[in-house]
Amino acid sequence: DAGITQSPRHKVTETGTPVTLRCHQTENHRYMYWYRQDPGHGLRLIHYSYGVKDTDKGEVSDGYSVSRSKTEDFLLTLESATSSQTSVYFCAIRAKAGSSYNEQFFGPGTRLTVL
Amino acid sequence: TQLLEQSPQFLSIQEGENLTVYCNSSSVFSSLQWYRQEPGEGPVLLVTVVTGGEVKKLKRLTFQFGDARKDSSLHITAAQPGDTGLYLCAGVGDLQGAQKLVFGQGTRLTINP
Repeated sequence: DAGITQSPRHKVTETGTPVTLRCHQTENHRYMYWYRQDPGHGLRLIHYSYGVKDTDKGEVSDGYSVSRSKTEDFLLTLESATSSQTSVYFCAIRAKAGSSYNEQFFGPGTRLTVL
Repeated sequence: TQLLEQSPQFLSIQEGENLTVYCNSSSVFSSLQWYRQEPGEGPVLLVTVVTGGEVKKLKRLTFQFGDARKDSSLHITAAQPGDTGLYLCAGVGDLQGAQKLVFGQGTRLTINP
């Protein structure tokens, strides 16, 4: 199995504070993704990366930024957290490098609550 | 914008019954995936269907991709309590670059003993 860890696993913060979530992979995969999961919405793509320092926006990128300074780490930052960003955040990598179908392997998730 | 609609969103049935979950779109997808998610965990890939009309079986689960590659279905025969979970379909719209996935909103399935 691919190795993906996310930290922290749970976080409670207050509105207006900055928050950084970390995704770490041990598979040396080029593509990494950040999603949020909310009831009734499935998973929605926030940002993705296709290499070190190469990132792009997904469908719900407002209020989020990302950075990838090393292949193994992909950071998601909420510059000023809002209650609407309360969600479960998942990181993913492509399960099979070179696959045409982008099957993804997901991390365990981070549950973020913004009060 | 490509969208995937899953139905039903919630389904609760008794052990041993059969069920079908649908994943529909007005857009064509190059391939479609099904994931299952347990509480507190990330989604896990079950299957990928690629060709229009394709049928794949995974034990008691049968997956079908529509002929026009706009829809898919998941059929479970003789459901077991272990089948309980959130089922998500996801489509790949393009073959280039990031090949972003579009997810349906999910079907929460409960199998009662």
